[in-house]
Amino acid sequence: DGGITQSPKYLFRKEGQNVTLSCEQNLNHDAMYWYRQDPGQGLRLIYYSQIVNDFQKGDIAEGYSVSREKKESFPLTVTSAQKNPTAFYLCASTRRPGLQAYEQYFGPGTRLTVT
Amino acid sequence: AQTVTQSQPEMSVQEAETVTLSCTYDTSENNYYLFWYKQPPSRQMILVIRQEAYKQQNATENRFSVNFQKAAKSFSLKISDSQLGDTAMYFCAFMKQGGGMRFGAGTRLTVKP
Repeated sequence: DGGITQSPKYLFRKEGQNVTLSCEQNLNHDAMYWYRQDPGQGLRLIYYSQIVNDFQKGDIAEGYSVSREKKESFPLTVTSAQKNPTAFYLCASTRRPGLQAYEQYFGPGTRLTVT
Repeated sequence: AQTVTQSQPEMSVQEAETVTLSCTYDTSENNYYLFWYKQPPSRQMILVIRQEAYKQQNATENRFSVNFQKAAKSFSLKISDSQLGDTAMYFCAFMKQGGGMRFGAGTRLTVKP
């Protein structure tokens, strides 16, 4: 089945540690995205990548880093510089920008708790 | 920067009735895309309906339809014949070509039996 996988579903870390969230897709999509969702709020864009080896900052990139070495993978690292890392993180992908269908397909999310 | 506003934090509707969720947005772009996503308690984001800004005709998808008013920058979602399974958070989202999505804060919809 084609889709987006995020692992693990729940992640716990101590304050001051960096942590990397996994996102893999087998949809052959070119563009991938990371969003953060806090309780009672909408999704906010962290980073996105339209092609391999290229990515752009979203609205709340501070304290996060990404890489895009393969088309299928777009890992997100939450660094110790992120002041409030506890949140629900969603990864998404879409077909190559330039086509009409811009809908994004979402993974199941990772709940990160930092104490 | 684009902003998306959903002014109704919570709404409820009786099963089989019709409900309309509001969304307004702010942008200087002329070509863009609008979406409604549903997020049930599982937290999986599910696309409900999408609208291309260059299309004047309102999008419909079975029981779901939109009222897209480009000049007013308004994009409301109408759910007809509401079902218990429609209970969820609903997010309005804006996307310009080549960018990421911007989401509203969401409307929590409860369908009552």
